[in-house]
Amino acid sequence: AQSVTQLDSQVPVFEEAPVELRCNYSSSVSVYLFWYVQYPNQGLQLLLKYLSGSTLVKGINGFEAEFNKSQTSFHLRKPSVHISDTAEYFCAVSYSGGGADGLTFGKGTHLIIQP
Amino acid sequence: DVKVTQSSRYLVKRTGEKVFLECVQDMDHENMFWYRQDPGLGLRLIYFSYDVKMKEKGDIPEGYSVSREKKERFSLILESASTNQTSMYLCASSLSPSLLNTGELFFGEGSRLTVL
Repeated sequence: AQSVTQLDSQVPVFEEAPVELRCNYSSSVSVYLFWYVQYPNQGLQLLLKYLSGSTLVKGINGFEAEFNKSQTSFHLRKPSVHISDTAEYFCAVSYSGGGADGLTFGKGTHLIIQP
Repeated sequence: DVKVTQSSRYLVKRTGEKVFLECVQDMDHENMFWYRQDPGLGLRLIYFSYDVKMKEKGDIPEGYSVSREKKERFSLILESASTNQTSMYLCASSLSPSLLNTGELFFGEGSRLTVL
């Protein structure tokens, strides 16, 4: 079965420190990869996506992610976090290509920024 | 700007009540989805629809039904609400399946349902 694993349910980080949120997916011929962010009591919004080409993808709010096909990973990074980055982060994969049956989501990582 | 609108942000219902959650999108998307979100479980797909009057079961359809009478509107129905259906419900939409579609989902703000 297709799956997405986010290894950390919570990641506490001090403000202005770097952070990495990990995501691994089960292997497939081709995938599209996404990171979504959810601020408290809101829906999900797209942070960044990998479709093809360069394996380093830049998104909004200073986040970036690197696609590693051999390790089937798509880890999210930010060099210096702010209090406003406190949120739930979801990694997602499109296995069907056309997206007819939606995305497969990880269980989420709660990023907690400590002052 | 693209928009998915869920009619109710917060609802409180009693066990056994019938509950309607409405979702409208203005992007002319063919695909629409209902997910529920619970702490530690992430997002789980309840139902989806790829066309008017069409519906497909997702991973957890039990206790739910859906209606898609118009392209822009997708409703989630709880025929007889139970306490274990207390959750955050998220509606999403995407373009029709094609080589140009990556599967990217556009989400509404969510509807937080409490069943007492």
